[in-house]
Amino acid sequence: DAGVTQSPTHLIKTRGQQVTLRCSPKSGHDTVSWYQQALGQGPQFIFQYYEEEERQRGNFPDRFSGHQFPNYSSELNVNALLLGDSALYLCASSWDTGDNSPLHFGNGTRLTVT
Amino acid sequence: GNSVTQMEGPVTLSEEAFLTINCTYTATGYPSLFWYVQYPGEGLQLLLKATKADDKGSNKGFEATYRKETTSFHLEKGSVQVSDSAVYFCALKGSNNDMRFGAGTRLTVKP
Repeated sequence: DAGVTQSPTHLIKTRGQQVTLRCSPKSGHDTVSWYQQALGQGPQFIFQYYEEEERQRGNFPDRFSGHQFPNYSSELNVNALLLGDSALYLCASSWDTGDNSPLHFGNGTRLTVT
Repeated sequence: GNSVTQMEGPVTLSEEAFLTINCTYTATGYPSLFWYVQYPGEGLQLLLKATKADDKGSNKGFEATYRKETTSFHLEKGSVQVSDSAVYFCALKGSNNDMRFGAGTRLTVKP
């Protein structure tokens, strides 16, 4: 049973460019959340998708957008990249909306903006 | 809003030493509490969880008790091993269903 998979593993972009990161949730999971983890920091919540809709959003600008597909996979898009967007982007999935449902994380995509 | 404050590291211990990593939280309602661990080059893995007051989560010799009166969820292990070297994150999941993480504590265990 595959866990959460993310692609690509590493990415280098230039300021002002746009990037798309992809995530496949763990089998049976229907909810996908995205996090940004700067070096030496804890993950910061970007947004969560459920039933192809953005359900919750953290304190990130509109340059960060996403999508969830009917098969529950998800994309994170970042427009007009800034140097400060360099980070590890983590995707996490869960299978229900109950409070005791833990998140299962992928290994992340390391984005470097130059 | 909901938040987690975690003891900052780094923490360096000798093998078989006792470990405590402090975590306190601020939340409305009755959140669920988690500890995640991140080994070098890997994603976060769930270590343990507690979903209501006085619950004790445990796994791999690690324990944490959900203390509502002190809004705390401190992580403990009686005897750490070199293989426990990692970054540990305390996290909270509130009624709005998003997970909030602390800044992480890097633990290094020396033989």
